[in-house]
Amino acid sequence: AQRVTQPEKLLSVFKGAPVELKCNYSYSGSPELFWYVQYSRQRLQLLLRHISRESIKGFTADLNKGETSFHLKKPFAQEEDSAMYYCALSGPRYGQNFVFGPGTRLSVLP
Amino acid sequence: DTGVSQDPRHKITKRGQNVTFRCDPISEHNRLYWYRQTLGQGPEFLTYFQNEAQLEKSRLLSDRFSAERPKGSFSTLEIQRTEQGDSAMYLCASSRELRSTDTQYFGPGTRLTVL
Repeated sequence: AQRVTQPEKLLSVFKGAPVELKCNYSYSGSPELFWYVQYSRQRLQLLLRHISRESIKGFTADLNKGETSFHLKKPFAQEEDSAMYYCALSGPRYGQNFVFGPGTRLSVLP
Repeated sequence: DTGVSQDPRHKITKRGQNVTFRCDPISEHNRLYWYRQTLGQGPEFLTYFQNEAQLEKSRLLSDRFSAERPKGSFSTLEIQRTEQGDSAMYLCASSRELRSTDTQYFGPGTRLTVL
């Protein structure tokens, strides 16, 4: 069965420091991977997806099929990056195959 | 606001009562999803609709849960004979149909507390 793990419940970094939020997955086929973010008092929203290969708000994520990982990275953290981050996986068909990880709370300290 | 809306935002009920939640998706979106989120966990898929058809339902969903989308627009999620374990945030999301990985837009959620 597909599964997404995020080993850190809480990650604290200082402003300007690099950030890496870890995500590992298990899936037998070729998954689509996503990062969702939830800022304080806001809705859950898509941050980026691996197929787009884009950088959003300075964040990037590379799918490593060998290590089954999709870590989220940003070279210089900003205080406004403080939020809850969820890694998610989808198979070719929606529904049961769309699985979220437990989330990592990022706290960027001044 | 043209985003996904959910009503009510909060619901407190006693064990054994029935509750119903409503979700209004973004108007041009064909797909609508329901998720449940408990403390410390990510959203867990419950069910989804394409237009009025309920295409998939989680195996974890008991028969006390039922969802409808009668006209392919808004959807309702009903929980019968609520239990304390049903206490959670219930999230609704919608997306277009163009492909399976289209962006899901989430609503603010309905927080259910079962006493």
